[in-house]
Amino acid sequence: QVQLVESGGGLVKPGGSLRLSCAASGFTLSDHYMSWVRQAPGKGLEWLLYITGSGGAIYDADSVRGRFTISRDNAKNSLYLQINSLRAEDTAVYYCARERTEESRYFDVWGRGTLVTVSS
Amino acid sequence: DIVMTQSPDSLAVSLGERATINCKSSQSVFYSSNNKNYLAWYQHKPGQPPKLLIYWAITRESGVPDRFSGSGSGTDFTLTIGSLQAEDVAVYYCQQYYRTPWTFGQGTKVEIK
Repeated sequence: QVQLVESGGGLVKPGGSLRLSCAASGFTLSDHYMSWVRQAPGKGLEWLLYITGSGGAIYDADSVRGRFTISRDNAKNSLYLQINSLRAEDTAVYYCARERTEESRYFDVWGRGTLVTVSS
Repeated sequence: DIVMTQSPDSLAVSLGERATINCKSSQSVFYSSNNKNYLAWYQHKPGQPPKLLIYWAITRESGVPDRFSGSGSGTDFTLTIGSLQAEDVAVYYCQQYYRTPWTFGQGTKVEIK
């Protein structure tokens, strides 16, 4: 069964850091580009970053550049998101999502998300 | 960045009736070399992950009921739910994957009238 499971969310103070994980099962992670997408309370979906299958290339949105870092460990079939200098506006559910193929860059598998709350 | 704008923001439709959601991109997401529109639709229910419904603007994902259909090209797209069922209550998003950053519409909330 193809599945993504995020973990690592929680309550963190402004300025703090957090590392989110996404465990993949049922498929080979290295075969796919992977992304992180978030949804703030009452808001829509916002794509944040992607990483290629080999991890050799990364693209991040302007809104998170310099604070968010995506990485992967294909041997562990896991994806990560390091978030630094957290702000209240980073409060959101964070989803990892699989891009179908290198040519078909839509998201065909999503995790259930992990909630990050930034508050003092 | 390509801005995706959906309309309406919400709509209420009677069970069995048609629901139509529009999505407009600020620039064309049609790639002439392969004749494809780089546009996807997702369904998002509370407490669940988003679910892929349609890709390439018109291709239904495996397992998605055939009451869901996508149409359009270039900058104007439509998601149609042919006969609304109770389980279709959700927020629907369009997304372009033509050019990074990938961008989503603001979402359209579909409810039962």
